[in-house]
Amino acid sequence: NAGVTQTPKFRILKIGQSMTLQCAQDMNHNYMYWYRQDPGMGLKLIYYSVGAGITDKGEVPNGYNVSRSTTEDFPLRLELAAPSQTSVYFCASRTANNSPLHFGNGTRLTVT
Amino acid sequence: AQTVTQSQPEMSVQEAETVTLSCTYDTSENNYYLFWYKQPPSRQMILVIRQEAYKQQNATENRFSVNFQKAAKSFSLKISDSQLGDTAMYFCAWVSGAGSYQLTFGKGTKLSVIP
Repeated sequence: NAGVTQTPKFRILKIGQSMTLQCAQDMNHNYMYWYRQDPGMGLKLIYYSVGAGITDKGEVPNGYNVSRSTTEDFPLRLELAAPSQTSVYFCASRTANNSPLHFGNGTRLTVT
Repeated sequence: AQTVTQSQPEMSVQEAETVTLSCTYDTSENNYYLFWYKQPPSRQMILVIRQEAYKQQNATENRFSVNFQKAAKSFSLKISDSQLGDTAMYFCAWVSGAGSYQLTFGKGTKLSVIP
């Protein structure tokens, strides 16, 4: 039972490069989320999705894009990476509004 | 917007002692859910305990229990018989029971268990 799988675990990008953070869940959860966690800080919501084909902005969406073509996958796209996007990124999912989040193990991204 | 406040950025406790982490939240809703998550140095986010606002009984999971005071909008976490493995960041989170899909997290409390 894999749960929520994120790849890669670590990545270093140069300023202006682009990349996609992958997230997949095998629990048939409708809701999926992308958070970022800056050093010593809590979690800030970037984007979320309530089902395939439906996405919405969170608290800090600028510089990111998402898509949700299937229930299982929720990739996060960074265009024109900036140093301010250096962070740890967490993908999470849950089945319903009263259920807890299941988190992936995170991706540590450094932009230099 | 809903807010979740964890007023203790850092705490420490002796091994085998009891510690309480505080969390307050601001909402006008009556139906919602509260969670405590643990983030050890491995950075994995682990669910510790959950509480439904409509339940008056405080949730308990082994050495972890909560003191849920709905009128005061307070949701503290008590860790009994603290163990070295409890050293971690602890995050409190709130989510509406209807309409909103977004969880709101506090900024976290860094707990150190001292041998």
